[in-house]
Amino acid sequence: QQQVRQSPQSLTVWEGETAILNCSYEDSTFNYFPWYQQFPGEGPALLISIRSVSDKKEDGRFTIFFNKREKKLSLHITDSQPGDSATYFCAARQQGTGSKLSFGKGAKLTVSP
Amino acid sequence: GGIITQTPKFLIGQEGQKLTLKCQQNFNHDTMYWYRQDSGKGLRLIYYSITENDLQKGDLSEGYDASREKKSSFSLTVTSAQKNEMAVFLCASSMGGQDTQYFGPGTRLLVL
Repeated sequence: QQQVRQSPQSLTVWEGETAILNCSYEDSTFNYFPWYQQFPGEGPALLISIRSVSDKKEDGRFTIFFNKREKKLSLHITDSQPGDSATYFCAARQQGTGSKLSFGKGAKLTVSP
Repeated sequence: GGIITQTPKFLIGQEGQKLTLKCQQNFNHDTMYWYRQDSGKGLRLIYYSITENDLQKGDLSEGYDASREKKSSFSLTVTSAQKNEMAVFLCASSMGGQDTQYFGPGTRLLVL
């Protein structure tokens, strides 16, 4: 059973637009949600993360909006740049287990100039 | 800063072959992980290790063995490669289980 779901699977936006990537989860004990960014030929790298006590986390052009009641979160990328073209993974960790992250299947973002 | 090195970058094997992938990190992290990445399936945890000589099974451990020989290195063995198998194996490390995971560039496996 997929614990973390992402939508859409792929998204194309124009340079300067806002890209929105969605994520939902099943387990209400998840309390930490990192987003990873992966470029072709590289490993994923942590982009931004949020804990369940917050409903918003901002870092430059990247913002996570978190809705605990609906078990949903979204990553907004404002003023999208061609260099943001990558695959984005939403992940979640269960409270207390520590080591194990559950990853979504990823969303491929293409930013056209 | 630090770096995770994975060898080899590309691995071509034959069906039924035993194949070993290696990972080294110089972050001085305690915890190391092996993930498998298939196209369209995200990352799935194979094994992880919270300290030297420790091994914990992930969701996808069947068909794999792992070995944490020392703090800085973590090896993964595909015990019997499956024909037409194609995947990327990612190694990661973190200071502790609650901390940010840093990933290596991956080993790309193709089984003929």
